[in-house]
Amino acid sequence: KQEVTQIPAALSVPEGENLVLNCSFTDSAIYNLQWFRQDPGKGLTSLLLIQSSQREQTSGRLNASLDKSSGRSTLYIAASQPGDSATYLCALLNSGRRALTFGSGTRLQVQP
Amino acid sequence: SAVISQKPSRDICQRGTSLTIQCQVDSQVTMMFWYRQQPGQSLTLIATANQGSEATYESGFVIDKFPISRPNLTFSTLTVSNMSPEDSSIYLCSVEVVGSSDTQYFGPGTRLTVL
Repeated sequence: KQEVTQIPAALSVPEGENLVLNCSFTDSAIYNLQWFRQDPGKGLTSLLLIQSSQREQTSGRLNASLDKSSGRSTLYIAASQPGDSATYLCALLNSGRRALTFGSGTRLQVQP
Repeated sequence: SAVISQKPSRDICQRGTSLTIQCQVDSQVTMMFWYRQQPGQSLTLIATANQGSEATYESGFVIDKFPISRPNLTFSTLTVSNMSPEDSSIYLCSVEVVGSSDTQYFGPGTRLTVL
């Protein structure tokens, strides 16, 4: 059974800092990995999707990497802004399964 | 991408009653799912909503408690039956859109509080 862990659980940084969020998983037989953002009391917004054959994806100030052999993914946020404050979730789609397995999330607060 | 709407957006219900949540998508979708997010927790899959047949439930979730319908490709309902305070959660519908490279999109969620 796939298990997904996100570290740290919470993070507070000053505005402008670059930061890295970590996601680790136990089963490397994945089809893809998605990073989501969730604002308090809201639904999920898809940020980046990395296919299993890819190593990284970039969108604006966000860069996500995937290392299947080590069971790790990172989400890099450059020049953080207060508007980046949210919970960030990584979720995996395992081969042969159609629903996502989610990590517990990292709650990010960017201080102005 | 897809625009997903859920009704109601939130509700406060009494113990022992039932609530039906609707999920409507503006695109053709291949898969529809229902997730639960308990307070302070991450998302847990309840079931996969199958068009025209019974939903496929995950371990720990049963049809009597969470009946699901999916009468067509773009609409599904989840009912939370005989509610207790432990059912207080956000319930989210998600879809996999045709031609989206397996990207999953989520609705805004339904925040349920059971008194």
